[in-house]
Parts: sequence; C-alpha cells; structure tokens
Amino acid sequence: AQSVTQLGSHVSVSEGALVLLRCNYSSSVPPYLFWYVQYPNQGLQLLLKYTTGATLVKGINGFEAEFKKSETSFHLTKPSAHMSDAAEYFCAVSENSGGSNYKLTFGKGTLLTVNP
Amino acid sequence: DTGVSQDPRHKITKRGQNVTFRCDPISEHNRLYWYRQTLGQGPEFLTYFQNEAQLEKSRLLSDRFSAERPKGSFSTLEIQRTEQGDSAMYLCASSPGQGAVQPQHFGDGTRLSIL
Repeated sequence: AQSVTQLGSHVSVSEGALVLLRCNYSSSVPPYLFWYVQYPNQGLQLLLKYTTGATLVKGINGFEAEFKKSETSFHLTKPSAHMSDAAEYFCAVSENSGGSNYKLTFGKGTLLTVNP
Repeated sequence: DTGVSQDPRHKITKRGQNVTFRCDPISEHNRLYWYRQTLGQGPEFLTYFQNEAQLEKSRLLSDRFSAERPKGSFSTLEIQRTEQGDSAMYLCASSPGQGAVQPQHFGDGTRLSIL
C-alpha cells in the first residue's frame, strides 16, 4: 500500500528565504508523485508532477521538486519565498495496480507561513 | 476549460438529515473522483468513476453514502442520516481518460457542517 509522510506540519520562512517542504513516500511499484497547493476555502491546485524521466521537476510559481528513489523522497523547494506562497501544501502519490484508477494518497499537509 | 464545479459550496444541516452534493467535471474528462478532507488532514479517497461506471469504493464509504454518475458527465454524492463525523470538505476531481497518469483537477469543494 502506498503512503506519504510530510515532515513538519508547519513551516515558517521570511520573505525572500528558501522554501523547503519535505515529503517521503512508500510505494510497492514505481510511483507517480505530485505536489498540490491549497488556499483557504479552495480546492487543490497542481504545482508539479513526477511520472518518469528527469528527476528534477519544475512547476508553476517557481517551485521545483527532485525525485530521489534511494531516499524515497520528493521534497519541494523554491529559492525565494513570496508572501503569496502562504498556503497549505500537500504531497501525493499515485500508483496503479491494474485498471484505470489512479487514486491519490495524500500526506497530512504542511502549512507554509511567509513573514514579511 | 471552465474547471471542476461543485455545488453547493457550503451545506449546514441537522444530524439525521440527508444531503446531496453535485460535481460537474471538466468536459470530456472520463475519470471522476470524490475525496473527503477533514480538518488538519489531507484529502482521502472515497470513490472513482470511469465514465458512468463506479469502479472502486473506499472502505470509508459506509452504506449511508452513495455516489452516481448517470450519464458519465456530472456526479452526485448523497449522504443519508448524517452524523457528526460526516462534517468535512468533500472534494471532487476529474482527469482525462487517456494516458497512464493525468493530473487530477480539483473543484473548490463542498463544506458540510452537521449541527
């Protein structure tokens, strides 16, 4: 069974500082990995995804993530935080054991606070 | 592409009442998912449709829950005899049917509060 662990339920950074949100996964087959962002009272917006190929994935709003199979990690980074980045971030894994269902398993989320 | 639409955005009801939520996926998206998100948690998978066929249901989906997608377009999620523990955000997502992995596009959810 697949699972996701997000280290740190709350991360606080200063504006302009590096953002690092950690995600470790467990999967019995090669995983597909995603990061989503959720603003208050809204649904989830896809930031980036890893399926196959290049292990460094670039997404929207300057975010990127690196798939490290040996560490079973998919950490999210952004070189310079902006006030508008304040939100909750979810790491998710999808695997397919047959059929067409690629349901997502999410971590518990990390709330990012950006201080002026 | 008008996005995934969910209605209503908020629902307040008394314990024991029945509620129904609607989801309109992105047009031509064959796959439709329902998730439930409680406070401080990530979304949890409830059920999955490929066109009009409901192909998988989570153990979280008790007998009081039923979902339909009658013509392979919009979907409804009904909860009968609501309980306090049903209070949550109910999220709908859709994705295209072709290809191995297509990102799921989420609606803004329906927040259910049980009094």
